[in-house]
This record gives sequence, C-alpha cells and structure tokens, in this order.
Amino acid sequence: EIVLTQSPGTLSLSPGERATLSCRASQSVSSSYLAWYQQIPGQAPRLLIYGASSRATGIPDRFSGSGSGTDFTLTISRLEPEDFSVYYCQQYGSSPYTFGQGTKLEIK
Amino acid sequence: QVQLVESGGGVLQPGRSLRLSCAASGFTFRSYGMHWVRQVPGKGLEWVAFIWYDGSNKDYADSVKGRFTISRDNSQNTLYLQMNSLRAEDTAVYYCARDLFSYDSKYSQHWGQGTLVTVSS
Repeated sequence: EIVLTQSPGTLSLSPGERATLSCRASQSVSSSYLAWYQQIPGQAPRLLIYGASSRATGIPDRFSGSGSGTDFTLTISRLEPEDFSVYYCQQYGSSPYTFGQGTKLEIK
Repeated sequence: QVQLVESGGGVLQPGRSLRLSCAASGFTFRSYGMHWVRQVPGKGLEWVAFIWYDGSNKDYADSVKGRFTISRDNSQNTLYLQMNSLRAEDTAVYYCARDLFSYDSKYSQHWGQGTLVTVSS
C-alpha cells in the first residue's frame, strides 16, 4: 500500500499570500496518477487537480499542481477567503487508492 | 447535471449488516466507474471500494475486504455497498463518487452528499 504523507498538517496564511502544500508518497506513484481535493467542512470533497498537474473543470487558475514520482505539490498562488479549508491528495497509481491525511489551510 | 444521492445509512449494532445505495442521474451511468469513500466525522478521507463501469472489476480497501461488497445495477442507475459484520470503526459518512472520465478508474469528479453510518452497541 502506498502511504501518502501531507505536510504541513496545518498552514496559517493570510489572504493574498501564496500557499504550498506537499504530498509525499512512500513509493513512486505510477504515471503521476495523483489528485488533489478541497473539502469545506460539512461538504463533499471537490476535485481540484488530476494527473498531478491538470486542473479540473471550473477550478481557478490560481490552483496548480506539480510533481512526479514520490513528491507532489499543490500551489495556490494568491489565497482567496474561500480557499481556507482542508486539502487532500489521493493516489490512483495502485490499489488501494489511498488518501493523505490532509492539510488544513487556516486564516492567519 | 450530474447528481448522486446516497441512502441507507443509519444506526446499528456491531455485527449487523447494512446496504447503502447511490442513485445516479444526469449522466450515462453505465459508462463510468464508481467509488465509495468514507470519512469519520472530523477526520480524513478513506477510499473504500471501486467498481468498473460494467461491474467486471472490483477492488477494496484492506480494512473492508471480505466484509463489504460493491455492486451496481446499470439498468437502475444505482450503485450499492453491502456492508456485513459491521464494526465500530466502520462508523463514518459514506460518499459515492463518479470517475472523471468514462471507462476509467481514476479521479472522483462528482460526489454525493454522503450518508452517515453509525455502528454502536
């Protein structure tokens, strides 16, 4: 099983700042089959990024994904108030399709 | 538009069984792989199971393998999760989710609102 470790656990930033979230895999994720999700409390997750770097439909271009192999990054270039929530990475390279434990992005 | 509506959650004792349903609409259900994902309230997401668009391939998390069965009825546009031998640690909100691309097995683009399963004596 591929274990995904997200860091930091909590990130405190201000609106307008840049956020960098990390997702590290215990082994290489096949074909960069990695996704990022945003979850607002009380709501279902929302797909942001798939294939490590492709934005899902309707996702603002301030969200970008990068990385390959075992190291992946989600970057939010200029934080908007609605971006403060929890973010998860998930790998689909091999079953089971594990999630990271999440990064909480909070307002400083 | 794509809609996924889960049902069947509830409160039950350890060792009992429960079947969740996910009614799909707004897309060609028979063309998409489907997942179940769960979340203990206040905790992170856990992938539970996946079923191929035609039901020919299924996969499970180790934590539910042998106890849970994913299935689908493409004539009824409905996804199921049969949960047997339930344990307290199965308590969670259960989401169904649809793949991003047809005839694929990756990336959950659309999600239901979730149904809460509580296992407690």
